[in-house]
Amino acid sequence: EPEVTQTPSHQVTQMGQEVILRCVPISNHLYFYWYRQILGQKVEFLVSFYNNEISEKSEIFDDQFSVERPDGSNFTLKIRSTKLEDSAMYFCASSPTAQGETQYFGPGTRLLVL
Amino acid sequence: AQSVTQLDSQVPVFEEAPVELRCNYSSSVSVYLFWYVQYPNQGLQLLLKYLSGSTLVKGINGFEAEFNKSQTSFHLRKPSVHISDTAEYFCAAYSAYGGATNKLIFGTGTLLAVQP
Repeated sequence: EPEVTQTPSHQVTQMGQEVILRCVPISNHLYFYWYRQILGQKVEFLVSFYNNEISEKSEIFDDQFSVERPDGSNFTLKIRSTKLEDSAMYFCASSPTAQGETQYFGPGTRLLVL
Repeated sequence: AQSVTQLDSQVPVFEEAPVELRCNYSSSVSVYLFWYVQYPNQGLQLLLKYLSGSTLVKGINGFEAEFNKSQTSFHLRKPSVHISDTAEYFCAAYSAYGGATNKLIFGTGTLLAVQP
C-alpha cells in the first residue's frame, strides 16, 4: 500500500540554523500539507499546497517558513532560522483531492532546536 | 470557526472492557470527521472516517464511531480493548463546504491506557 514517507526521522539543530524537512507524498495525490505537534500538545495545521502554490497557511506559518515541490516527487518544508519553539514533530500529509478525501500522514520528523 | 473537543485527556480501561472516547465538534457547516491513532513514537494512522451516508462507521482494529448531527458528536467505541490499543487517539474535522478550507482541525487527543 502506498504511503507518505519523511526524512529525516530525527533532526537536531542549533538555534538560528536553517533546516529542510523532506516528504515524499503518495504518487497520485495532488494536495500536500504540513502539520506540527509540539510535545504534549495537539496537532496543528501549518500549510496546504496545491498546483505549485500555497492554498492556505496558518498564523504559525510566518516568513521563516517556506514550502517547495522541487521535483515531481518531493515536498519540502524549510525553516530559515530556527527558534527553540520550533522544536516539534512535523508531519507531512497528502490527499488525492481537497474535499471529501482522507489526508494520509507520514511518520513525522522530530525536530529539536538547541 | 470550527473546533474539535476531546474532553477526556486520558481514559484508563482494563483489557477486554469496552471503551468510548468522546469527540464533539463545533461548526456552522457540515464537516467531514476522522479518527486517527498515534502509537508511541509513531505517526498518525487513520482509524476511520465519516464523509456521508450511514452514521455508523467501522474502522480498523475493531473500532467504530457514530456521527450524531444533533449532538455534534463523533464518539469512538470498541467493545473489547487489547493491550495493543494503548495509544493516543485524535479526533479531527474539516469543512464539507465546497471550496472551503481543507485543513484538518484536531482535538487535543485522548490517551487510551489499557491495563491488564
